[in-house]
Amino acid sequence: DIQMTQSPSSLSASMGDRVTITCRATQNISAYLNWYQQKPGKAPKLLIYAASSLHSGVPSSFSGSGSGTDFTLTITSLQPEDFATYYCQQSYRTPFTFGPGTKVDIK
Amino acid sequence: QVQLVQSGAEMKKPGASVKVSCKASGYTFTNYGISWVRQAPGQGLEWMGRVSAYNGNTNYAQRLQGRVTMTTDTSTSTAYMELRSLRSDDTAVYFCARNAAIIRWHPLYYMDVWGEGTTVTVSS
Repeated sequence: DIQMTQSPSSLSASMGDRVTITCRATQNISAYLNWYQQKPGKAPKLLIYAASSLHSGVPSSFSGSGSGTDFTLTITSLQPEDFATYYCQQSYRTPFTFGPGTKVDIK
Repeated sequence: QVQLVQSGAEMKKPGASVKVSCKASGYTFTNYGISWVRQAPGQGLEWMGRVSAYNGNTNYAQRLQGRVTMTTDTSTSTAYMELRSLRSDDTAVYFCARNAAIIRWHPLYYMDVWGEGTTVTVSS
């Protein structure tokens, strides 16, 4: 199976901060990488698919980049509604594994 | 609007089975697959498998192989996930999600619409 790692596992940030989350795959997955946001007690929501494509309705403050094994999710200016846990997921090969998540909370 | 509505919470004893439903509306059901994802209390997301609503083809996570069955009923636009021989570590919230795809020689799938989740508790 393809394993996914994320760093950091958690971070504290202030409103307006720029935040970057890194995701790494154990093998080349090209751009088969998706990002999801999850708030406590809620279902995940799709943010980014195919490494860099912004899902409909997602603010342009979110962006994704990378290819191969290394990927990043960037939030350019953190808003109150962005405090959540973020997961990357590879869809190159089944099982479509998720990263362990990065929790973003308020400093 | 496009939505997936899941069945209600379940409480089961170890060794029993559970069947969770996921009713789709607002889109052509057979044009998309459905993935199932679970989340144990305080833990991350685990992809369990997927089923094609077009032809019923399935892919399951190896660790669940033999205990899980995913099916669809196109007459009611409903997907089902059955998990057998339940153990305490199957206690989790179970989500269904629609598989959108970028169609090419090696399709790229992503989960663009999610159900609200179904809590399954396994306890004696």
